[in-house]
Amino acid sequence: DIQMTQSPSSLSASVGDRVTITCRASQDINNFLVWFQQKPGKAPKSLIYAASSLQGGVPSKFSVSGSGTDFTLTISSLQPEDFATYYCQQYSNYPLTFGGGTRVEIK
Amino acid sequence: EVQLVESGGGLGQPGGSLRLSCAASGFNFSSYEMNWVRQAPGKGLEWVSYISSSGGNIYYADSVKGRFTSSRDNAKNSLYLQMNSLRVEDTAVYYCVRDAGVLLPFDYWGQGTLVIVSS
Repeated sequence: DIQMTQSPSSLSASVGDRVTITCRASQDINNFLVWFQQKPGKAPKSLIYAASSLQGGVPSKFSVSGSGTDFTLTISSLQPEDFATYYCQQYSNYPLTFGGGTRVEIK
Repeated sequence: EVQLVESGGGLGQPGGSLRLSCAASGFNFSSYEMNWVRQAPGKGLEWVSYISSSGGNIYYADSVKGRFTSSRDNAKNSLYLQMNSLRVEDTAVYYCVRDAGVLLPFDYWGQGTLVIVSS
């Protein structure tokens, strides 16, 4: 099974900050990576797929870099609506696996 | 508008069974692959099962293999998860998730249904 490791597990940031979340796969996932945002009590929402393609309606302040096994999600200017938990997921091989999540909190 | 509505959650006994349903609308259900994903209270996301658009290919997480069965009825625009031999660790919110394959994976999620396994 492919292990997905996210870091950090949580972070505190202020409105306007630039935030970076890292996701590492235990083997090459051929850029078959999705990033999700989840707010408390809500279902996850897909932000980015195929490692770098934005889902429709997702603002360009979200961006991704990396390939192979190491990926980074960046939020360029954190806004109040961005405080949430973020997950990465690989869809290269079954079983599909998620990272442990990164909780972005207000400082 | 794409809608996925799960139902069938509730309280189940250890060793017992529950059947979850997911009613799909707003898209051509028979053209899409589907998944079940769960989330234990306060925990992260765990993929449970995948079923191809025709139902001919089904995959499971090791944690549920041999106990859970995914199926679909394209005529009824519905997805199902038969959960047998329930364990306390199956307690979670279960989400039904649409999947357009590598082109647009996991693009729509239902609101989830809560399963609690307890004696």
